[in-house]
Amino acid sequence: GAVVSQHPSRVICKSGTSVKIECRSLDFQATTMFWYRQFPKQSLMLMATSNEGSKATYEQGVEKDKFLINHASLTLSTLTVTSAHPEDSSFYICSASTGGGAKNIQYFGAGTRLSVL
Amino acid sequence: GQNIDQPTEMTATEGAIVQINCTYQTSGFNGLFWYQQHAGEAPTFLSYNVLDGLEEKGRFSSFLSRSKGYSYLLLKELQMKDSASYLCAFYSGAGSYQLTFGKGTKLSVIP
Repeated sequence: GAVVSQHPSRVICKSGTSVKIECRSLDFQATTMFWYRQFPKQSLMLMATSNEGSKATYEQGVEKDKFLINHASLTLSTLTVTSAHPEDSSFYICSASTGGGAKNIQYFGAGTRLSVL
Repeated sequence: GQNIDQPTEMTATEGAIVQINCTYQTSGFNGLFWYQQHAGEAPTFLSYNVLDGLEEKGRFSSFLSRSKGYSYLLLKELQMKDSASYLCAFYSGAGSYQLTFGKGTKLSVIP
């Protein structure tokens, strides 16, 4: 299957700092990328849909000024958690869609575990 | 509204067969996915069903009945490494490629 690279895999930061997470599709162009958050023993919750060259679409309850998404190219989307607080500690996962047609499969990055002290 | 339901936990013996069920309700439907997720890792794509019937891929098979809002994942010849959470997810609505995930079924394979 297609390869999606997510970096960093783990971040520990102080409260109030900003953290940037990168998501890259390595062997295909991803018109659309998705950002999810997963709390322990919970399912993946979609945070936002990122489209190349346009503003991201955020799910209800997700603060767009706190979770900044930039999809600058067909292979890169970034999520910046601004002014992080302990309640933002979670597992953040990106996915990239192969796009087009019936078999529009999402492939996931390895995830980023964010711990805010 | 949208709803997706699967058992929370299951236990099966190494070498056996296990079936993980998933039921869903949605006003629009555009495909049903199964992903495998090991603890602390991101989901790995297993299968995709858009039409009714059974799709077989090695030890894993997935079945879909759109009229019943029902799918299952069948794992044969279970191995210890199959211990993981299995997530059922669907696309809803034409052109909408946002996945709605179930909470996952944690499968424990025992010797």
